[in-house]
Amino acid sequence: AQSVTQLGSHVSVSEGALVLLRCNYSSSVPPYLFWYVQYPNQGLQLLLKYTSAATLVKGINGFEAEFKKSETSFHLTKPSAHMSDAAEYFCAVKAGGGNKLTFGTGTQLKVEL
Amino acid sequence: SAVISQKPSRDICQRGTSLTIQCQVDSQVTMMFWYRQQPGQSLTLIATANQGSEATYESGFVIDKFPISRPNLTFSTLTVSNMSPEDSSIYLCSVTGEGGPTGELFFGEGSRLTVL
Repeated sequence: AQSVTQLGSHVSVSEGALVLLRCNYSSSVPPYLFWYVQYPNQGLQLLLKYTSAATLVKGINGFEAEFKKSETSFHLTKPSAHMSDAAEYFCAVKAGGGNKLTFGTGTQLKVEL
Repeated sequence: SAVISQKPSRDICQRGTSLTIQCQVDSQVTMMFWYRQQPGQSLTLIATANQGSEATYESGFVIDKFPISRPNLTFSTLTVSNMSPEDSSIYLCSVTGEGGPTGELFFGEGSRLTVL
């Protein structure tokens, strides 16, 4: 069975500062990894995904994530935070050839002036 | 990408009643998924709905409580039966994108239920 752990349920950064949201996965087979963002009162929107093509994945809105097998991590980063980045971010994993997506517990990002 | 519409977007329900949530997709899809997001928590898969077969439920979810219909390749419904305040959640419909196992899920905007 696969799982993801997101460290830090709440992260606060200043506008213009680096954003780092942590995600570690557990999977007995090569995983596919995803980051989603959820703005208030909205559904989930895909930010980026890792499907084994390249370890550094670039997504929308300036976000990127790096797959590190040795560390079983897929942390999400953005060089400079913007107020509009304030939202909840979910890491998710899919493994074993199935379509089931397992989500982490989420990280609420707050961006302060 | 797929465009997913859910109805209702939100509702306030009385304890003991049932509510049916509709999910309409703008393209034909094989698999549809229903997730629950309880307040302040992550998403939990309730069941997978394939057209022409019974839904497959995850551990902790049963058909009597969450009956699902999948009459065609663009539509599904989820009923929350005999509701209690613990059922207050956002219920999300999702479908797979192209790419098979590597494809992402697309989500509707969710149906926010409050049970009094």
